[in-house]
Amino acid sequence: DARVTQTPRDKVTEMGQEVTMRCQPILGHNTVFWYRQTMMQGLELLAYFRNRAPLDDSGMPKDRFSAEMPDATLATLKIQPSEPRDSAVYFCASGLVRRLGILGYTFGSGTRLTVV
Amino acid sequence: AQSVTQPDIHITVSEGASLELRCNYSYGATPYLFWYVQSPGQGLQLLLKYFSGDTLVQGIKGFEAEFKRSQSSFNLRKPSVHWSDAAEYFCAVGASGGSYIPTFGRGTSLIVHP
Repeated sequence: DARVTQTPRDKVTEMGQEVTMRCQPILGHNTVFWYRQTMMQGLELLAYFRNRAPLDDSGMPKDRFSAEMPDATLATLKIQPSEPRDSAVYFCASGLVRRLGILGYTFGSGTRLTVV
Repeated sequence: AQSVTQPDIHITVSEGASLELRCNYSYGATPYLFWYVQSPGQGLQLLLKYFSGDTLVQGIKGFEAEFKRSQSSFNLRKPSVHWSDAAEYFCAVGASGGSYIPTFGRGTSLIVHP
């Protein structure tokens, strides 16, 4: 089965450090999401790309977070500087959106970020 | 804006018993609806989806869900639960207007007793 690959699987970093999370979407998928999962907030949408163009990043703290898709095989989520409240599991998901609808989204296994 | 409510935070069932997990959505037009399952330390796996057509949707692992527009519900069911079904279950609604961005509920944790 095709899968969404996220790296690293786990990341522990000190407050103030830069963190970069990577996602390889499924080949041929034109839509990529970044979600953050915490016990308090559940699954929150951070960013959304269609054909590599950012369409919605309203859920992302702009002062420290940035999301990009430098090419169709790579999406990145960067936090600079990181803070303890950023500790969460970050998921990437990809899907194929067509004019008549979508087939569903496939999630990666997530990056568990701990900021100490 | 769309939203999803999963009224039950935890559900406990005995192995072999039937299961129903509730999901209510809020969306002005015909929604896209999903159920995902998440095992500990894992990502979300799609169980089933509803876009249009037959309101009773069959999914993987023996799950099914029924879309009821009049009740704004999309409840997940399974006739006989297995211990391996213990996990977190998320209902999601996607806008049908072109963005298809899914909004997730807070999840229901399923506990299965032997």
